[in-house]
Amino acid sequence: GQNIDQPTEMTATEGAIVQINCTYQTSGFNGLFWYQQHAGEAPTFLSYNVLDGLEEKGRFSSFLSRSKGYSYLLLKELQMKDSASYLCAHMDSNYQLIWGAGTKLIIKP
Amino acid sequence: EAEVAQSPRYKITEKSQAVAFWCDPISGHATLYWYRQILGQGPELLVQFQDESVVDDSQLPKDRFSAERLKGVDSTLKIQPAELGDSAMYLCASSPRDGYFSGNTIYFGEGSWLTVV
Repeated sequence: GQNIDQPTEMTATEGAIVQINCTYQTSGFNGLFWYQQHAGEAPTFLSYNVLDGLEEKGRFSSFLSRSKGYSYLLLKELQMKDSASYLCAHMDSNYQLIWGAGTKLIIKP
Repeated sequence: EAEVAQSPRYKITEKSQAVAFWCDPISGHATLYWYRQILGQGPELLVQFQDESVVDDSQLPKDRFSAERLKGVDSTLKIQPAELGDSAMYLCASSPRDGYFSGNTIYFGEGSWLTVV
């Protein structure tokens, strides 16, 4: 079967660094995605990993280990506007996205 | 910048009534998805179209939900009769092709919020 897990909620301080982990199980793999979703809005694309390693995009980085079924999203220099839900999703062998439930990130001053 | 258009943005309906959502994908996008997202959960795929054909509707509750994309362009998702548990955000997304994926090529609309009372 297919399964994807991420923490329900995390809290961090403005200016700090936070790492959101995601683990998945799948019979076929075509990439791992991270999306940001502010309350009441649609998800917006953050990153895509299909090969092992770290992808860096400004304050956001995403890491993938296919052998471990593991990814993380790293957010640096946290800002209040980063308060949102972060959704991990993997694309299966049928090119369909399998979504996690999301991690609600709360940023405190 | 091209966007996926959805309407209505918000809909309140009484249970047992019919409700419909419309989606216009980005021009030229062959693949169209309808997702349902309940508060605090990730999106759940309801139906996926490739042009006018249904690729996957295994999670669509077919006794009350229907979806069509007659000309392979815009799409309508209908619920009849609506139930209290259908209250959720209905997201439409599109991508330019299926079978090959290059990461940031799924685009979401703003979503349609449904409240069933």
